[in-house]
Amino acid sequence: SQQGEEDPQALSIQEGENATMNCSYKTSINNLQWYRQNSGRGLVHLILIRSNEREKHSGRLRVTLDTSKKSSSLLITASRAADTASYFCATDTIGANSKLTFGKGITLSVRP
Amino acid sequence: DAGVIQSPRHEVTEMGQEVTLRCKPISGHNSLFWYRQTMMRGLELLIYFNNNVPIDDSGMPEDRFSAKMPNASFSTLKIQPSEPRDSAVYFCASSFRSVKETQYFGPGTRLLVL
Repeated sequence: SQQGEEDPQALSIQEGENATMNCSYKTSINNLQWYRQNSGRGLVHLILIRSNEREKHSGRLRVTLDTSKKSSSLLITASRAADTASYFCATDTIGANSKLTFGKGITLSVRP
Repeated sequence: DAGVIQSPRHEVTEMGQEVTLRCKPISGHNSLFWYRQTMMRGLELLIYFNNNVPIDDSGMPEDRFSAKMPNASFSTLKIQPSEPRDSAVYFCASSFRSVKETQYFGPGTRLLVL
């Protein structure tokens, strides 16, 4: 199965509400990244959190990392219709041949 | 910076034909990645290069797929012969130093093999 698995698979909220997306992984990581993909476009990096960090903020984004639970969450506050996209977590596992492994993504719909 | 550039953006071909996808990474980036995205399998890493050298090609599906990076500013992914199951969106991405860092994705090539 995927190293990073997002939850839920799909999320629909009203503009102005907060959106919380979760990612769980199986093996120890160096860092975890979140990306956004708008329909028909490439992925865009949002935020990177290292294994020794617990929380990170970037604008309306807040990412947490719990290495004991092997999980991360992405919170988007005061969502906007423009936040409608797919969101992916990507984990960089520890090891000589480490590489970024992407989950299958969460589809977020923000209703105006 | 123009970002990662991929061409063509769309490709429609018939089964058995050769397909060549092209990528120009961000100038100064040392790592380049080719991904394939489908609904069924999500985003899969096919191969990545560091300093123009292939480091990990374990994701390349089979011998029909090959990738080259003749210099720091150009890479190709070739499928020969193509099959309908190769239909997908192919992304190229680059990063400044290594696979562990932020990756910058191109717009993708949408391939349809009939």
